[in-house]
Amino acid sequence: GDSVTQMEGPVTLSEEAFLTINCTYTATGYPSLFWYVQYPGEGLQLLLKATKADDKGSNKGFEATYRKETTSFHLEKGSVQVSDSAVYFCALIKKTNAGKSTFGDGTTLTVKP
Amino acid sequence: EAGVTQSPTHLIKTRGQQVTLRCSPISGHTSVYWYQQALGLGLQFLLWYDEGEERNRGNFPPRFSGRQFPNYSSELNVNALELEDSALYLCASSSGQGTNTGELFFGEGSRLTVL
Repeated sequence: GDSVTQMEGPVTLSEEAFLTINCTYTATGYPSLFWYVQYPGEGLQLLLKATKADDKGSNKGFEATYRKETTSFHLEKGSVQVSDSAVYFCALIKKTNAGKSTFGDGTTLTVKP
Repeated sequence: EAGVTQSPTHLIKTRGQQVTLRCSPISGHTSVYWYQQALGLGLQFLLWYDEGEERNRGNFPPRFSGRQFPNYSSELNVNALELEDSALYLCASSSGQGTNTGELFFGEGSRLTVL
């Protein structure tokens, strides 16, 4: 079945450091890929998405490129802020999979001033 | 525009009891999804409802059930609660399948503690 594997956390960075959170997937067909973020005490919210190979999703300084050849969708940000501290989830969905999104286990990011 | 709302936000139950969780989707959304987020684990897909019908179900026992009402709100019922049911239950909604881009809009969740 489909699966998403995320870089294990927790990740601790200093403010203004470069961030990479790795995400690889296994899926047949042509999934859409997503990054969601969960701030403390809140639900998940969409951070960015890409619907086909070579698409780049971007939002709030975060970027991720859909790489079909390496089945990856790594999340990057050039300069993190304390306010970026949260749990980040990589996810995929296929329209043929009857509404079921597959999520990674989440990566906890803590940014220290 | 109101987001996805869930109730209650927190609740404590004992083993063997039953619980009902409620979810109101974003106005205009016809699909509702339920996920379980247990401590230290990722999101596990529970149920998907669309247009009042159960469309898909995750690998959970039958004591997890639910329904979707004509106004597209939804309930999740869990019978015969077990300790391992303690988790954050997240509801999400999306637009209908014809226009669905795959994005899910989540509520803040209902945190269930089973003692």
